[in-house]
Amino acid sequence: NAGVMQNPRHLVRRRGQEARLRCSPMKGHSHVYWYRQLPEEGLKFMVYLQKENIIDESGMPKERFSAEFPKEGPSILRIQQVVRGDSAAYFCASSPTRLGHEQFFGPGTRLTVL
Amino acid sequence: SQQGEEDPQALSIQEGENATMNCSYKTSINNLQWYRQNSGRGLVHLILIRSNEREKHSGRLRVTLDTSKKSSSLLITASRAADTASYFCATGVGNNNDMRFGAGTRLTVKP
Repeated sequence: NAGVMQNPRHLVRRRGQEARLRCSPMKGHSHVYWYRQLPEEGLKFMVYLQKENIIDESGMPKERFSAEFPKEGPSILRIQQVVRGDSAAYFCASSPTRLGHEQFFGPGTRLTVL
Repeated sequence: SQQGEEDPQALSIQEGENATMNCSYKTSINNLQWYRQNSGRGLVHLILIRSNEREKHSGRLRVTLDTSKKSSSLLITASRAADTASYFCATGVGNNNDMRFGAGTRLTVKP
């Protein structure tokens, strides 16, 4: 059973461009979580999605950031008009259910904004 | 501030010694999890302890949870150089079991 997959592993963008980060959950998992890890800081929750639904986006900046988890295909975290402060590692995790289950993390996407 | 806070921030020990890391949190939790992150890699789940559990073991790992003190500890016995990594605690909170991470403890095990 393949683990959580994220791509790309490394992404370089210039200020003002768009960044698209993809996350394929483990097989059978319908819950996806996105986290951001800024340099020298711990992980911070951004958004929690189920298939076709955003359950909790309380950790996501109101502007420029959006996330989706369509019925088919991977979950996408989209950052429009990137700024240098968006440079971070973005981790995706999946779980089979919501409560009481450990989350399985992907390897992360390291975004660098020049 | 973050929900989970690890203590100490950094720990350096000799191979064979035991390593103890602590985690404190502020609000009620559903569960508490410990993760390991090797440099440049993703997080690896180590162990989950539910709020109604007090202690859990997995190999050389022992986790305790004291909900009255809102704290948890991770003990790694007979440490190895390969245990060198950052260790994060994360609390699952609320109806969505949102995960809240601390800043981590950087463990260095010297051969």
